[in-house]
Amino acid sequence: EVQLLESGGALVQPGGSLRLSCAASGFAFSQFAMNWVRQAPGKGLEWVSSVSGSGGSTYYIDSVKGRFNITRDNSKNTLYLQMNSLRVEDTALYYCAKAAVVGTTGLFSPWGQGTLVTVS
Amino acid sequence: DIQMTQSPSSVSASVGDRVTITCRASQAISTFLAWYQQKPGKAPKLLIFAASTLQNGVPSRFSGSGSGTDFSLTISGLQPEDFATYYCQQVNTFLGITFGPGTKVDLK
Repeated sequence: EVQLLESGGALVQPGGSLRLSCAASGFAFSQFAMNWVRQAPGKGLEWVSSVSGSGGSTYYIDSVKGRFNITRDNSKNTLYLQMNSLRVEDTALYYCAKAAVVGTTGLFSPWGQGTLVTVS
Repeated sequence: DIQMTQSPSSVSASVGDRVTITCRASQAISTFLAWYQQKPGKAPKLLIFAASTLQNGVPSRFSGSGSGTDFSLTISGLQPEDFATYYCQQVNTFLGITFGPGTKVDLK
């Protein structure tokens, strides 16, 4: 069974930094792209970032480019999101999501339960 | 980036009803379209990809159609467990992955 367990969310002041982690199990981690998607309280879903299986290709929504950095450690089956220069508008539940199909990036299944980031 | 819109924003329905949600992309995206279901306090779940292909384990009462800019999700015979919020998603990474604003299906 695929399991994704996010951690690292916290209350942080504007301008601060956080590193989110997503521990994965139950599948061949290095073969699948991984993604971060966020959801502000009471709002809809917003894709944040994706990384290829090898880690060699990364993608970001414009609003986080230059501030967030997605990486992965395939030896530890773990995905990361380093978030710097945090803004109030980054407040959200951050989900880790596995690519549904090998070789693709944009289709997400399954998702973790999320970790809450509050910037205030 | 491609903008996604959904209508209606909410719909009230009864068990057994047929419900259709529409999704429109601001430019043609072929069939690079997925649908997700999200229940309160839970993570989203992939229902349909490539506009009309059902994800494994998803009941056949769910169906998707469309291509280009106009898409729809239909639930034929609404069940109690289907009351949730549904999101469409443009899945092409190079065009910027975007979600629609969501459609809440609640009990009439």
